[in-house]
Amino acid sequence: DGGITQSPKYLFRKEGQNVTLSCEQNLNHDAMYWYRQDPGQGLRLIYYSQIVNDFQKGDIAEGYSVSREKKESFPLTVTSAQKNPTAFYLCASSIIGDRYEQYFGPGTRLTVT
Amino acid sequence: AQSVTQLGSHVSVSEGALVLLRCNYSSSVPPYLFWYVQYPNQGLQLLLKYTSAATLVKGINGFEAEFKKSETSFHLTKPSAHMSDAAEYFCAVNTGNQFYFGTGTSLTVIP
Repeated sequence: DGGITQSPKYLFRKEGQNVTLSCEQNLNHDAMYWYRQDPGQGLRLIYYSQIVNDFQKGDIAEGYSVSREKKESFPLTVTSAQKNPTAFYLCASSIIGDRYEQYFGPGTRLTVT
Repeated sequence: AQSVTQLGSHVSVSEGALVLLRCNYSSSVPPYLFWYVQYPNQGLQLLLKYTSAATLVKGINGFEAEFKKSETSFHLTKPSAHMSDAAEYFCAVNTGNQFYFGTGTSLTVIP
């Protein structure tokens, strides 16, 4: 079955540590996205990528970094510079073009204490 | 700037009653619009999408939405609410470069 996988589902880290969230897709989509979701709020775009080895900052990129070395993979690193990292993180992918929808992974809930 | 607005962050309906979730978009050209549903601690699932074909779009789980250019609206409806419809609903627009999501509407279904 085609889809997007995110691992792990729940992640716990101590403050000051960097942590990397995994996102893999086998849909052959060119575009991939990372969103952050906080309780009662919508989705905020962190980074997106439309081609391998290229990515753009979204609305809240500070304290985050990404890489896109393979079409299938778009890992997100939450660095110690991110002031409020505890959140629900969603990865998505899509075909490039304005008529296409995004497909979402199941999300990773990150808790930093 | 392209954006979508969802009126009402919380909507409660009785089981069997009509569901109406509102979405308005700002744009000078017809965008491509989507409705997603999110259950607790899960990713978003596509309910339906408008891509310039029929203005009345039917989706999964009995939901439908009507694109009204004159009102710049894309409201989501379901004739009869079911307990399983309780979830968060997001309206979104795709401009080709980015997706823009509304802030979401939490639907509660009262038995």
